[in-house]
Amino acid sequence: EVQLVESGGGLVKPGGSLRLSCAASGFTFKNAWMSWVRQAPGEGLEWVGRIKSKSDGGTVEYATAVQGRFTISRDDSQNTLYLEMNSLKTEDTAMYYCTTYSGTYYVSEFWGQGALLTVSS
Amino acid sequence: DVQMTQSPSSVSASVGDRVTITCRASQGINRWLGWYQQKPGKAPKLLIYVASTLQSGVPSRFSGSGSGTDFTLTISSLQPDDFATYYCQQSGSLPVTFGQGTRLDSK
Repeated sequence: EVQLVESGGGLVKPGGSLRLSCAASGFTFKNAWMSWVRQAPGEGLEWVGRIKSKSDGGTVEYATAVQGRFTISRDDSQNTLYLEMNSLKTEDTAMYYCTTYSGTYYVSEFWGQGALLTVSS
Repeated sequence: DVQMTQSPSSVSASVGDRVTITCRASQGINRWLGWYQQKPGKAPKLLIYVASTLQSGVPSRFSGSGSGTDFTLTISSLQPDDFATYYCQQSGSLPVTFGQGTRLDSK
């Protein structure tokens, strides 16, 4: 059974930094493309970015709103996906979901339960 | 960025009704479109990918169609479990973008 468990959420002041983790199990993580999707309270879904598997080049793409401030990385030895967030703004407040991302059909097949980030002074 | 516009933003329907949600892309995305269902307090669930392929385990009352810029999600006979919010997502052009969502509630 595929499991994605996010951790690391919390309350951060504007301008601060935080790193989210996503522990993956139930599939061959090193072969998987992965992504982050966020959802502000009461709002819709917003794609944050995705990372390819290392065998497919390991390249990362980001949404325009987070480009230059967020970094997605992976540790295949630990089956863990990361989202490093810097220069945080109040508008980054959201539930952050880790997902598997099909490298064939370009959709998010499996989702974690989410980690909540609140950016507030 | 490709803008995805869903309509309607909300719809009220009854069990047994046929419901159609549309999604329009601001530029052609071939068939790189997915549909997701989200219930309150839960993570989204993939329903359909490449515009019309049903994800494993999704009931056959759900169907998708379209290509280019115009897409539809149809629920042929609404069931109680289907009341939720639905999102389209394009992946034909980076960055990936979602529609604003369509809330489906009980009439």
